Amino acid sequence: DAKTTQPPSMDCAEGRAANLPCNHSTISGNEYVYWYRQIHSQGPQYIIHGLKNNETNEMASLIITEDRKSSTLILPHATLRDTAVYYCIVRVSAAGNKLTFGGGTRVLVKP
Amino acid sequence: NAGVTQTPKFRILKIGQSMTLQCAQDMNHNYMYWYRQDPGMGLKLIYYSVGAGITDKGEVPNGYNVSRSTTEDFPLRLELAAPSQTSVYFCASRAGQVGNQPQHFGDGTRLSIL
Repeated sequence: DAKTTQPPSMDCAEGRAANLPCNHSTISGNEYVYWYRQIHSQGPQYIIHGLKNNETNEMASLIITEDRKSSTLILPHATLRDTAVYYCIVRVSAAGNKLTFGGGTRVLVKP
Repeated sequence: NAGVTQTPKFRILKIGQSMTLQCAQDMNHNYMYWYRQDPGMGLKLIYYSVGAGITDKGEVPNGYNVSRSTTEDFPLRLELAAPSQTSVYFCASRAGQVGNQPQHFGDGTRLSIL
């Protein structure tokens, strides 16, 4: 699986958009980009995933660069409940589909 | 909609005791996983299963055993508890029909071994 690099932490103002970057320069053509988050003491929560195209759901948007070497998760209107550790994971679509969680980005949403 | 249910939520064991962590999902998912998360660290895969009767080792399987007799249940067994197994354990499942489907996690079992 391709290695990912994320900033260790970032702050965001409540009500503003939060843009979380992720570098995955060694990604290969059949690897998907997944985003999960983990709110303190809870299990990881799936947010969104994509292969090439930008994706949007009720929680967030995922922007993947044309060369696929980086991506950005966008939380359009951050709330205090979005305070969590956000994980960017690159994984090939295959049997098992094991996820490797790195350090993630600790996001603190401030009033 | 229950999703992935883990029991118990908390447990304290003495060194050398054994226990089974329960995991059940009601989404008819083929794939199930067990992870552990040590304080301040990411998740590490212990075991996984691609369907009833089929299991395989992950990154850190030593000291654990699993079985998968039904689609719904995937229990994790600790035979001789050791302090190094103090951790939070998460179970996850995903549908197997399409390879890129995401995993869905339970709320975890917090295990302390003293």
